[in-house]
Amino acid sequence: GESVGLHLPTLSVQEGDNSIINCAYSNSASDYFIWYKQESGKGPQFIIDIRSNMDKRQGQRVTVLLNKTVKHLSLQIAATQPGDSAVYFCAEREWGGKLIFGQGTELSVKP
Amino acid sequence: EAQVTQNPRYLITVTGKKLTVTCSQNMNHEYMSWYRQDPGLGLRQIYYSMNVEVTDKGDVPEGYKVSRKEKRNFPLILESPSPNQTSLYFCASSSDRTNEKLFFGSGTQLSVL
Repeated sequence: GESVGLHLPTLSVQEGDNSIINCAYSNSASDYFIWYKQESGKGPQFIIDIRSNMDKRQGQRVTVLLNKTVKHLSLQIAATQPGDSAVYFCAEREWGGKLIFGQGTELSVKP
Repeated sequence: EAQVTQNPRYLITVTGKKLTVTCSQNMNHEYMSWYRQDPGLGLRQIYYSMNVEVTDKGDVPEGYKVSRKEKRNFPLILESPSPNQTSLYFCASSSDRTNEKLFFGSGTQLSVL
């Protein structure tokens, strides 16, 4: 899985399967977390966010889980589709407001 | 359509030749920011602005200038570009004065020779 500051990992899944993309964050005082999707040649696109007072948040086909004990964030995509192929990266907002972005995980969906 | 528009999309220039990358948003957003994206480093903030005439340095402001004379526009200026400023640049905006739920532009790929 992804960690803020490491090389870009890749995840390959079959169309229709569920995808889980992981992110380890660094600051236990971070109060806000966000997932972005970046398709080739495009800017990052907001997917879902979660505040530190929550453990789970669901959107349309996506769920974000936050485990503050181990400083871990995950993005679950249900019934993955070819259009989900992209780079996904997380960001944490540190105390003081600075956003720290991870480098991302490349998701490849096989038809 | 709500969007953040950057121009140009691609730019090749030479060292020392001043350039401006424009950014405009049509969502009446207060917060705007510039990022650069480099392989292995992720997105890094250059400058941000929480309102008109208010700008602040981000993590990597050296060699860049910005201005916020109008709410919708936030140009990025490179007075004397150098090869280490070759990068993919993104402008982003947000509806409140925080950096939550940023809307990003499509990017400007800059090459400084």
